[in-house]
Amino acid sequence: EVQLVESGGRLVQPGGSLRLSCEASGFRLRNNWMSWVRQAPGKGLEWVANIMEDGSVKNYIDSVKGRFTISRDNAKNSLYLQMDSLRVEDTALYYCARDFRGGHNDYWGQGTLVTVSS
Amino acid sequence: DIQMTQSPSSLSASVGDRVIITCRASQTVTTFLNWYQQKPGKAPRLLIYGASNLESGVTSRFTGSGSGTYFTLSISSLQPDDLATYYCQQSYRTPHTFGQGTKVEIK
Repeated sequence: EVQLVESGGRLVQPGGSLRLSCEASGFRLRNNWMSWVRQAPGKGLEWVANIMEDGSVKNYIDSVKGRFTISRDNAKNSLYLQMDSLRVEDTALYYCARDFRGGHNDYWGQGTLVTVSS
Repeated sequence: DIQMTQSPSSLSASVGDRVIITCRASQTVTTFLNWYQQKPGKAPRLLIYGASNLESGVTSRFTGSGSGTYFTLSISSLQPDDLATYYCQQSYRTPHTFGQGTKVEIK
């Protein structure tokens, strides 16, 4: 059974940093693109970033470029999102999702909540 | 970035009704268009990928169609379990933008 479990979300002050993790099981992470998608409280889904199977290609939305870094450790079957210079508007539930061939997201975790507030 | 616009933003329909949700892209996405269902308090679930391909395990009451810039998601015979918000997403070009969502309520 495919499972994705996110962790690392918490309350952090504006300007702070946080590292989210996503542990995958039931499939080999190294065979898949992976994504982060976020959802602000009461709002819609927002695609944040994705990363190619070997980590050589990474894509980001403009609002997080230069602040967030997506990475992976295929040996540990884990995906990460390093979040720096956090802003109030980054407050959201962050989902990890598997990309099928760099396209649609066929499996999702349950999300980890990031709250940026003073 | 490619903008995705769904309509309506919300709808209320009766059990057994046929429901249609539309999604328009600001430029062509060919058939790289996906639909997701998100029930309250839950993670999104993939329903349709490649505009018209039903994800494994999803009821055939859901049908996707379209290409280019115009797409539809149809729900035949609406059921109480279909209470959810539905999102389209283009995966033609990064960022893989989502529509704003369509909230489906049961009368």
